[in-house]
Amino acid sequence: AQSVTQLGSHVSVSEGALVLLRCNYSSSVPPYLFWYVQYPNQGLQLLLKYTSAATLVKGINGFEAEFKKSETSFHLTKPSAHMSDAAEYFCAVRPLGASKIIFGSGTRLSIRP
Amino acid sequence: DTAVSQTPKYLVTQMGNDKSIKCEQNLGHDTMYWYKQDSKKFLKIMFSYNNKELIINETVPNRFSPKSPDKAHLNLHINSLELGDSAVYFCASSEDRGNSPLHFGNGTRLTVT
Repeated sequence: AQSVTQLGSHVSVSEGALVLLRCNYSSSVPPYLFWYVQYPNQGLQLLLKYTSAATLVKGINGFEAEFKKSETSFHLTKPSAHMSDAAEYFCAVRPLGASKIIFGSGTRLSIRP
Repeated sequence: DTAVSQTPKYLVTQMGNDKSIKCEQNLGHDTMYWYKQDSKKFLKIMFSYNNKELIINETVPNRFSPKSPDKAHLNLHINSLELGDSAVYFCASSEDRGNSPLHFGNGTRLTVT
């Protein structure tokens, strides 16, 4: 069955530092891929989604993700962290032909002043 | 003009009671979902309806019964509530195709005492 793995349940970076959140999917055929962010006591918001048009996808709030088929990865990055980026981040996949979207276990991002 | 709205936001009740959560979307989407988020932030799909037809029914106790009176509404009724039902329940909607993302409500925090 299709699954998605997020390495690191908690990532802590200094303000201004690079943010790297890891996501790997398990499928020989690339699924549809998404990153979501959840701020405390809120629902999930879409950060970005992969389309086959480009391997580097730009999202909101300065985030971007790179699709690497050879590594079955879709890692999320941001060049310079801001305090407001502190939140829970979820990688998600929709297998081809499927209706449901499956979420990874989430990574909590903390930002140190 | 909230896209996906669910009520109530908080629900505190005793074991054995029956409760309902309501969800409405004004995005014109054909597909709606219920997800459960546990205390560790893990998101698990429960149900999905496409244009009032049940298309996803994961391994969920039959105490949980979804109802979709029309494609803009998806309600969740829970009978005989148990302590383990305590979680945050999220409603979401999407167009049922490929890379269409989910749009989430703000969640209903259910606490069973």
